[in-house]
Amino acid sequence: DAGVTQSPTHLIKTRGQQVTLRCSPKSGHDTVSWYQQALGQGPQFIFQYYEEEERQRGNFPDRFSGHQFPNYSSELNVNALLLGDSALYLCASSLGLGLDTQYFGPGTRLTVL
Amino acid sequence: AQSVTQLDSQVPVFEEAPVELRCNYSSSVSVYLFWYVQYPNQGLQLLLKYLSGSTLVKGINGFEAEFNKSQTSFHLRKPSVHISDTAEYFCAVSNTGNQFYFGTGTSLTVIP
Repeated sequence: DAGVTQSPTHLIKTRGQQVTLRCSPKSGHDTVSWYQQALGQGPQFIFQYYEEEERQRGNFPDRFSGHQFPNYSSELNVNALLLGDSALYLCASSLGLGLDTQYFGPGTRLTVL
Repeated sequence: AQSVTQLDSQVPVFEEAPVELRCNYSSSVSVYLFWYVQYPNQGLQLLLKYLSGSTLVKGINGFEAEFNKSQTSFHLRKPSVHISDTAEYFCAVSNTGNQFYFGTGTSLTVIP
């Protein structure tokens, strides 16, 4: 049973560029949440997708957007990259919108130069 | 609004000694509390969670935590640590299960 997978594992971009990160949830899960983890910090909630809709959003600008596909996989898009967007981006999947355990993927390390 | 404070950024401890990692939270509503562990270059793994009921929660790898509502704390404990417990530990709070607020983490180093 595959767990949460994310691609790519590492990514280097320059300021002003756009990036797309991908996440496949654990088998049987239908909810995907995205987090940003800056170096030395805890994860910060970006947003959550369920039934292809954004259900909750953290305190992130509109440059951060997402999408969920019918197969429950998800993408995180970041436009107009800033140096401060450099971080580990974590995807977590769960079942439904309740208190089901969130399973995290290994993350995508984004470096903005 | 909710927030989590992890009082110790780094905790060194000798192998087979007990350890306590401290976590305090702030919330105006009922909360659910979690501890996650992150090994180098890996995602987060759930250690244990408190949703309701008994305030003493047992998790994986011999860890346990106690929910103290009056002190708004959820400290993580293990009676005897192993080298393999060296990792980053995060406390998190949620009031809905949908949006989690994480602390800044505690780096546990187990010394042989």
